Amino acid sequence: AQTVTQSQPEMSVQEAETVTLSCTYDTSESDYYLFWYKQPPSRQMILVIRQEAYKQQNATENRFSVNFQKAAKSFSLKISDSQLGDAAMYFCAYSSPGTYKYIFGTGTRLKVLA
Amino acid sequence: GAGVSQSPRYKVAKRGQDVALRCDPISGHVSLFWYQQALGQGPEFLTYFQNEAQLDKSGLPSDRFFAERPEGSVSTLKIQRTQQEDSAVYLCASSLDFSGDNYGYTFGSGTRLTVV
Repeated sequence: AQTVTQSQPEMSVQEAETVTLSCTYDTSESDYYLFWYKQPPSRQMILVIRQEAYKQQNATENRFSVNFQKAAKSFSLKISDSQLGDAAMYFCAYSSPGTYKYIFGTGTRLKVLA
Repeated sequence: GAGVSQSPRYKVAKRGQDVALRCDPISGHVSLFWYQQALGQGPEFLTYFQNEAQLDKSGLPSDRFFAERPEGSVSTLKIQRTQQEDSAVYLCASSLDFSGDNYGYTFGSGTRLTVV
């Protein structure tokens, strides 16, 4: 069975600085999808970034980028120029084609310090 | 609608009471998912609908949990004879594609259920 591990329960970053959130996963499959979701106190989870495993190129969305290391089964999220609005819980998620479900990690709480 | 709407936002139930949680997905989204998020944990899959068909209910914890989506739009998650371990946030999500892999999910704000 696939698993997703987020080993950092909490991280802090100064406003305008860069922070990296870690995610590792375990799978025997070669084709899958990986996601980062943000969950602010409002509870509504918002898609931050998506990566297809068969694509070598790391996904990027404005200030958010990933470092996808397929062989190491690692999928870290880098947030550049951190803003106060980035403070939230961040969840890493894995999806296997045809299973119609995501497997989430336990989350990392990100604090942004002014 | 513009987003996924869930109601109620908060629900307090006495142990043994039945509850019904509603999810109104984005119009035109064929896929609908229910997840359970315990305090301090990531969401865990409960069930999946493709239009009105419930294709996967493997995550439902017991036969006290029941979900339906009779017309392929609004969905209801029902919990019978609630127990304290049912206390959690119940998240609904919808997706334009069948799996959520291509576009990701759009989540609602969830229903926080507290069983006392």
